[in-house]
Amino acid sequence: NAGVTQTPKFRILKIGQSMTLQCTQDMNHNYMYWYRQDPGMGLKLIYYSVGAGITDKGEVPNGYNVSRSTTEDFPLRLELAAPSQTSVYFCASSYRDALSNQPQHFGDGTRLSIL
Amino acid sequence: AQKVTQAQTEISVVEKEDVTLDCVYETRDTTYYLFWYKQPPSGELVFLIRRNSFDEQNEISGRYSWNFQKSTSSFNFTITASQVVDSAVYFCALSELGSDSNYQLIWGAGTKLIIKP
Repeated sequence: NAGVTQTPKFRILKIGQSMTLQCTQDMNHNYMYWYRQDPGMGLKLIYYSVGAGITDKGEVPNGYNVSRSTTEDFPLRLELAAPSQTSVYFCASSYRDALSNQPQHFGDGTRLSIL
Repeated sequence: AQKVTQAQTEISVVEKEDVTLDCVYETRDTTYYLFWYKQPPSGELVFLIRRNSFDEQNEISGRYSWNFQKSTSSFNFTITASQVVDSAVYFCALSELGSDSNYQLIWGAGTKLIIKP
């Protein structure tokens, strides 16, 4: 019963470093999402994908890149880490989009600090 | 403009009290879904309920109940006889049509619920 798996759980980066947050799901979901959650705030959509090979920007895409080469994996890349990207990152997946009767399933989150 | 408003940033009650979390939304869509998610201190997000815009029946699941009123654009969540394990941040979310014709979730800022023993 893996569901949505995110790695790493915690990471500290220096300004200007790059890293990839990994996300994989084993539910054969078409839709996958990356959100960020800043302290005391709701989730903001960074990027999403409606299927392998298709990605699109969400509300706050600047500073991030994604790829979706397989149905299972949806990595999020930070190229030049900035302090403003300190946040908790959640990956989610769903079988269909948010107007369906299928809820989004979330990973446990990655807590990222940029110092 | 904020699409989903959870005006209560933090609520603190004593165990066994009833508590209602408010959610007010704004949308031009005639067809939409509303959601509640729970985020316990461990951090994961747990789906609680989904309600479509055509179904205004109230729903009850154990100690949880939801009141959906289109006339006031509200989807409030009540916990009856609260327990310490209910302590969490609760998020309300609304499905919204994106520019690519896919629906996304718009999230409220969350309400932190503290249940004191």
